Amino acid sequence: NAGVTQTPKFQVLKTGQSMTLQCAQDMNHNSMYWYRQDPGMGLRLIYYSASEGTTDKGEVPNGYNVSRLNKREFSLRLESAAPSQTSVYFCASSDLAGLTDTQYFGPGTRLTVL
Amino acid sequence: QKEVEQNSGPLSVPEGAIASLNCTYSDQGSQSFFWYRQYSGKSPELIMFIYSNGDKEDGRFTAQLNKASQYVSLLIRDSQPSDSATYLCAVNPGGTSYGKLTFGQGTILTVHP
Repeated sequence: NAGVTQTPKFQVLKTGQSMTLQCAQDMNHNSMYWYRQDPGMGLRLIYYSASEGTTDKGEVPNGYNVSRLNKREFSLRLESAAPSQTSVYFCASSDLAGLTDTQYFGPGTRLTVL
Repeated sequence: QKEVEQNSGPLSVPEGAIASLNCTYSDQGSQSFFWYRQYSGKSPELIMFIYSNGDKEDGRFTAQLNKASQYVSLLIRDSQPSDSATYLCAVNPGGTSYGKLTFGQGTILTVHP
């Protein structure tokens, strides 16, 4: 049982390049999330998917797109990377089962945009 | 803008002491509250959650919630060097934003021997 997995772990891009961050969970959770974390800041929600087939914007969606490929997989795409997108990206999943709903996080992707 | 603010750090306590971490939130409709621990270079992991006013204890950890004051705290008793980490407070707003956690900026805790 791997929990939440993310690929790649590290990535360096040049300004204007595109890439897709992959996330998969094996906990049969309905909901999945993408966050970014910048130094000295907490996590900020980029996009989330409450269930398969649905996606919704979070606090900082500009410059990103997402795809909920199936119940297990949720990808984040940067179409034209900018230095401001240098960050650590975390994927999370949860069952959205009520007040005690807990989000479980993947190991993160450390992205640098030059 | 719904905000979550944590006490500014870093916080340094001696081994065996009580560490007190505080968090205030602006959305009165917030329903549940989470404390996550994040070691340097690692992902956040849940310590505990609370959704009713009062105290909730789990081992050396106690979460306290006061919805009237919009305040939640985490106490760590008998602090150990292994507790040194960043602690993140997260708030679940409920309603149409249910599940969209808002995180505080984190408090860095250092427990020195």
